[in-house]
Amino acid sequence: EVQLVESGGGLVQPGGSLRLSCAASGFTFSNYNMNWVRQAPGKGLEWVSYITNSGSDTYYADSVKGRFTVSRDNAKNSLYLQMSSLRAEDTAVYYCARDGGRAWDNDCWGQGTLVTVSS
Amino acid sequence: QSALTQPPSASGSPGQSVTISCTGTSSDIGGYNSVSWYQQHPGKAPKLMIYEVTKRPSGVPDRFSGSKSGNTASLTVSGLQAEDEADYYCSSHAGSNSLGFGGGTKLTVL
Repeated sequence: EVQLVESGGGLVQPGGSLRLSCAASGFTFSNYNMNWVRQAPGKGLEWVSYITNSGSDTYYADSVKGRFTVSRDNAKNSLYLQMSSLRAEDTAVYYCARDGGRAWDNDCWGQGTLVTVSS
Repeated sequence: QSALTQPPSASGSPGQSVTISCTGTSSDIGGYNSVSWYQQHPGKAPKLMIYEVTKRPSGVPDRFSGSKSGNTASLTVSGLQAEDEADYYCSSHAGSNSLGFGGGTKLTVL
């Protein structure tokens, strides 16, 4: 069974840092590009970041560029999102999602991890 | 970056059909055949329902169909069922290696 499990969310103060992880199983992780997508409470989905299967290329939404860094460890079947200089508007459920390899579609999603930025 | 426009709500009675629109620009929807649609039930992760404008992943009922005309994409749900009540989001490649999502449409089955 294809599965993605996020972890690492929690409460952090404005200006702080947090590292999210996403553990993949049930598929050959190294064959797939991956995305991070977030959803603020009661709001819609917002794409955050994309990383190619090898990790050689990464892309970011303007709202997080320069503050967030996506990475992966294919030997550990894991995806990461290092978040720094966090702001209140970064408060959201963060999902990792598998890119379907067709046209920027995401065919498998984790259950999400909640990040709350507040003093 | 791209923010696609969806109506905030849509509704229909069981057995009826409902269509949800998603409007973008020539830089996203109009420029690529990369429109996807996601269904999200409360407290759950999104689920891919349509990709590449018209294609359904395995396991998605054929009651769900997608289309595109110019800068506007549409999701049609035919033969509405109670379990179709959910939030629906469109997405599209938006150029410059980015992805845009619509604001979401809450579908109510009356």
